[in-house]
Amino acid sequence: KAGVTQTPRYLIKTRGQQVTLSCSPISGHRSVSWYQQTPGQGLQFLFEYFSETQRNKGNFPGRFSGRQFSNSRSEMNVSTLELGDSALYLCASLNTGGGEAFFGQGTRLTVV
Amino acid sequence: AQSVTQLGSHVSVSEGALVLLRCNYSSSVPPYLFWYVQYPNQGLQLLLKYTTGATLVKGINGFEAEFKKSETSFHLTKPSAHMSDAAEYFCAVSDRRNTPLVFGKGTRLSVIA
Repeated sequence: KAGVTQTPRYLIKTRGQQVTLSCSPISGHRSVSWYQQTPGQGLQFLFEYFSETQRNKGNFPGRFSGRQFSNSRSEMNVSTLELGDSALYLCASLNTGGGEAFFGQGTRLTVV
Repeated sequence: AQSVTQLGSHVSVSEGALVLLRCNYSSSVPPYLFWYVQYPNQGLQLLLKYTTGATLVKGINGFEAEFKKSETSFHLTKPSAHMSDAAEYFCAVSDRRNTPLVFGKGTRLSVIA
């Protein structure tokens, strides 16, 4: 079974731009979660999608948004990028039966 | 609400020594508990999980953890550290109710030759 695939692996963007990150979950998993990881704040939950609906949402500004498609693939978008958005963005595919999350390799976003 | 506390942001052990990484959790319902490992610039890899049943859980790479309800703990151990164990380790809790996993702040493990 293929794992969770995130693209791209690395991105450099300029302040004020927007960015879209993509995540393909494990086949058969319908839940996808997104996390932001920074040295200072650790792993922070952004949002979770299940069957194309946002099921849970973390405490992030509206500049952070996401969606999920009918094939369970998910995208997250960050608009009007700020320097503080530089982080590793992790996508996780959830095994709803056992509760564990399987993570992708992450997208390293650098905002300059 | 659930929470996880990992005692010690950095733990250093000698190669061959016992590894002990501490995790305490707070949950109002019987939890699912997890340990993950992260190597630099990589995603998180599941080491082991506790859902129900046997409280001593064995995972990959020789790691194990014991669920102690009375102490609300789920400490991770490995009898003999290898250089390849150097990484960041995260403990996580779930309340089984389709709410997101809650992670601790992580413990960086260094292994000294």
